[in-house]
Amino acid sequence: SAVISQKPSRDICQRGTSLTIQCQVDSQVTMMFWYRQQPGQSLTLIATANQGSEATYESGFVIDKFPISRPNLTFSTLTVSNMSPEDSSIYLCSGVPRGNTEAFFGQGTRLTVV
Amino acid sequence: GNSVTQMEGPVTLSEEAFLTINCTYTATGYPSLFWYVQYPGEGLQLLLKATKADDKGSNKGFEATYRKETTSFHLEKGSVQVSDSAVYFCALSDRRNYQLIWGAGTKLIIKP
Repeated sequence: SAVISQKPSRDICQRGTSLTIQCQVDSQVTMMFWYRQQPGQSLTLIATANQGSEATYESGFVIDKFPISRPNLTFSTLTVSNMSPEDSSIYLCSGVPRGNTEAFFGQGTRLTVV
Repeated sequence: GNSVTQMEGPVTLSEEAFLTINCTYTATGYPSLFWYVQYPGEGLQLLLKATKADDKGSNKGFEATYRKETTSFHLEKGSVQVSDSAVYFCALSDRRNYQLIWGAGTKLIIKP
């Protein structure tokens, strides 16, 4: 298993600013993913965070808006850039530990843009 | 492409009732199947999983069996409690890249 510490747990931000969300895993993970969850809805994959290379983004998400870093096998960040109220959502990171088939999740970051 | 369909909620039951939340999937190959639970205000927790046909995942009184012939992975519990109130997500994983394909989620409300 893995424990993923995600921070901040929540934030209220002004439009036009940026927020960086961090995820720290207590063990090495093969894959790390970033999701967005709109209120009352399912999860939408933003991107796969690749260690040592550029993230792989899903349709509708771009690097300029959601830059991602993954400097090693236990840490990743997601930045939500130039925020607007439409970015208000819960952002979740997840990781698949080596030798596992299931993904573990951070507690999520509840972002409100005003 | 791969997809997951689960029954719409909310599902409202009385305490000690029997629970079934339906989940069907479409996938190429042999995906792994999961049920995740999200309690109010919290992140996602893995509830149970199954990695091959006829496997039964179980945890906390919940069960689900990987049925390849009906492409289903229905979640069941014999006697629900108020503390089971949460949103339940069915998901499948492509073994090649570990990406999860999610169902829409089913909100479960248990009344005392």
